[in-house]
Amino acid sequence: DAMVIQNPRYQVTQFGKPVTLSCSQTLNHNVMYWYQQKSSQAPKLLFHYYDKDFNNEADTPDNFQSRRPNTSFCFLDIRSPGLGDAAMYLCATSRDSFYEQYFGPGTRLTVT
Amino acid sequence: AQTVTQSQPEMSVQEAETVTLSCTYDTSESDYYLFWYKQPPSRQMILVIRQEAYKQQNATENRFSVNFQKAAKSFSLKISDSQLGDAAMYFCAYRSEGTQGGSEKLVFGKGTKLTVNP
Repeated sequence: DAMVIQNPRYQVTQFGKPVTLSCSQTLNHNVMYWYQQKSSQAPKLLFHYYDKDFNNEADTPDNFQSRRPNTSFCFLDIRSPGLGDAAMYLCATSRDSFYEQYFGPGTRLTVT
Repeated sequence: AQTVTQSQPEMSVQEAETVTLSCTYDTSESDYYLFWYKQPPSRQMILVIRQEAYKQQNATENRFSVNFQKAAKSFSLKISDSQLGDAAMYFCAYRSEGTQGGSEKLVFGKGTKLTVNP
């Protein structure tokens, strides 16, 4: 019954070594979102896709990029992770802006 | 820009008792949506309840209900008959109404950590 799936659940990467996080959905939703959540903080939106249209938040660092090759999958690429990028990364989907967002379980990224 | 404020970083409640979590927000918009999300220790965010700003009636979902005061820009969550499984971080969130085909984002508060004591 998993609807929003994130892989891996835990990811360790080295400082400066590119890393890719994966999100897939079985809901056939139009919108996919990527949030960064640091410890004891609220989720912060990085960017989202409406279908193939990419929408970047103004304060999202250039170090973060995303790809959505099809409706079901969306990837978060961190080109050169820094220690400050250690966080939980949450993927969410929604049918449209009028509907609720469904969240995945998150990927916890550690940068060593 | 819209902001959401949760003034209670932590709350605790005895099992079977009632607890109210506070949320205020700031917006110049007249149409919007408000949500409460629950994030248990396993970290998957789950929608608890939603409220459309144009509806005067407070939303209710089983043991969860809200007190929506539009003029005061207040949106509190009441949990009745608290259960151990209610222990989690609770986030209040705001979303603009948006337009068809749009993709409005959620603006979250900082969260309230709820502990349920047996």
